[in-house]
Formats: sequence, structure tokens, C-alpha cells
Amino acid sequence: AQTVTQSQPEMSVQEAETVTLSCTYDTSESNYYLFWYKQPPSRQMILVIRQEAYKQQNATENRFSVNFQKAAKSFSLKISDSQLGDTAMYFCAFMKRYGGATNKLIFGTGTLLAVQP
Amino acid sequence: NAGVTQTPKFQVLKTGQSMTLQCAQDMNHEYMSWYRQDPGMGLRLIHYSVGAGITDQGEVPNGYNVSRSTTEDFPLRLLSAAPSQTSVYFCASSQGLAGYQETQYFGPGTRLLVL
Repeated sequence: AQTVTQSQPEMSVQEAETVTLSCTYDTSESNYYLFWYKQPPSRQMILVIRQEAYKQQNATENRFSVNFQKAAKSFSLKISDSQLGDTAMYFCAFMKRYGGATNKLIFGTGTLLAVQP
Repeated sequence: NAGVTQTPKFQVLKTGQSMTLQCAQDMNHEYMSWYRQDPGMGLRLIHYSVGAGITDQGEVPNGYNVSRSTTEDFPLRLLSAAPSQTSVYFCASSQGLAGYQETQYFGPGTRLLVL
């Protein structure tokens, strides 16, 4: 069975600074996807970034980038130039590729990020 | 294009009552699913559907029923509400199965309180 672990329940960063959120996972699969979702106080789940395990290049989306270490099963999220609107709960999630009839996402327990003015 | 919509936003039930949480998407997505979110536990899969007429159980299906009569709608029914079902419920959809258009998009959530 796959598991996703986020070891930082809460983090804080000053506006305009850089912060890194950690995520590790456990799987015996070789083909899979990893995601970071953001959940602001509105509770909407918003996709931040996606990484395909077969790609060596780390995914980037504007100020958001990941450090994907497949051998170490690590998938950290770096937020550059933090903004007040980045304040949210961040969830790391795993999904098997070609997982049959399910697109089941396996979520970590989340990291609450507070961006301070 | 409204994406994934859920109603109601908030609901209070008494133990033993039944209700249906509505979910609809206008993106012609084949795959739809329901998750529940509890404090300290992330999101867990309740039921999912790979197309109209096809549903299956996820990780925590007990106490919930689903049906998929159309591509657009995927309601979640609580048969006899229990306090343990107090949670935030999210509906999600994606265009296809894993390996294809599989990125999932979430609705805004329904907060349910069972007294």
C-alpha cells in the first residue's frame, strides 16, 4: 500500500521570502504521479503542481517548483517570493499511473503555511 | 464553464436522518469521486465512478451510497447519518483514467455536521 507523509504540521514564512514544504512517500510502483494541492481558508482544493515520476526534470509553475528525488521517495515544494495569498493548507498526494479503474489520490495530512506580512 | 459544483455548502443533520449531497460537473469528465476530509487525516476516498452506470467503493464506503445515471451528476447519499460522518465532503472529477487526462479537479466542498 502507498503512504504519503508530511512531517511539518505548520510552517511560517515572511512575505517575499522562500519556503520549502517536505513530503515523502512510500510505494513499490515505478509509474505514478505526485501532486501538491493548496487549500486556502475557503476550503477549495486547488491544484498547484504535478510531477510525473518518469520525468527526471522537476516541474515548475511560476513561483512554485518541486524537488523530486525518486530514489529517496521525496517530493518537496518550494514557494519563492511568498505572498499573503499563499497562506493555506498544502497537501501532497500520490496516484498510481495506469492504476486500473481508479484514479485514487492518496493524501498526506497537510502542512499549514502562514505567510507573515 | 462552472467546473465542479456541490450543494449544499453546509448542512446540519440529526442522527438517523438521511440526505443527499449533490455534485455536478460540466466538463464532460468520465471519472468522478467523493472524498471526506477529517482533521489530521487528509482526504480519504469514499466512492468513485468511471462513467455513467458504473460505480465502485473506495477506502471508506460504509454508510454511503452513490449512483451515476448521467455523466454530469454523481450524488452521495447518507442512508442513516451518524456523528462519525461529521466531515467536509469533496467531489472531484477528471477527464479519464490514470495515465491519461487524470488530473483531478475538486468542488468547493460540503460541510456536514451530524448531531
